[in-house]
Amino acid sequence: KQEVTQIPAALSVPEGENLVLNCSFTDSAIYNLQWFRQDPGKGLTSLLLIQSSQREQTSGRLNASLDKSSGRSTLYIAASQPGDSATYLCAVKGRSGYSTLTFGKGTMLLVSP
Amino acid sequence: KAGVTQTPRYLIKTRGQQVTLSCSPISGHRSVSWYQQTPGQGLQFLFEYFSETQRNKGNFPGRFSGRQFSNSRSEMNVSTLELGDSALYLCASSYSGGTNEQFFGPGTRLTVL
Repeated sequence: KQEVTQIPAALSVPEGENLVLNCSFTDSAIYNLQWFRQDPGKGLTSLLLIQSSQREQTSGRLNASLDKSSGRSTLYIAASQPGDSATYLCAVKGRSGYSTLTFGKGTMLLVSP
Repeated sequence: KAGVTQTPRYLIKTRGQQVTLSCSPISGHRSVSWYQQTPGQGLQFLFEYFSETQRNKGNFPGRFSGRQFSNSRSEMNVSTLELGDSALYLCASSYSGGTNEQFFGPGTRLTVL
């Protein structure tokens, strides 16, 4: 059974810092990995999708990497801003179960001005 | 292009009642998945529908059911509500599931008293 772990559970940084969020998964047989952002009480916003054949994806100040063999992904946020404050969730799509995503518990990020 | 919409956004019910939640996917998307999010368990997969057929089901009791219509809109129903059913219910759509990126709606916040 796939298990996804995110470290740290919470992170507080001053504005302008570069930061890394970590995600690990137990079964390397995945189709893809997706990073999401969730604001309090809201739905999920897709940030980046990395297919299993890819090593990284970039969007603006965000860069996500995938090392399938070691079961790890990182989300790098450059020059953090207070508007980046949210919970970041990592989810993997296994090679069975069609659209089923297995989620980590998330990292709650607070960026202070 | 309009995003995934969910109605209603908030619901308050009492134990023993039943509830129906609705999800309209992004135009052209044929796969709809449902997730339950609670503080303790995080995001857990309920079921997925594709072309009006349930393709996959999570580990939830039979009180949780769903269906999909020919226009890809989906509903989920919870009968005999329990206090533990209080959660944010999220719907996600994708073009055909599989490796496609999933897009989430804003969720329906269900409170069971």
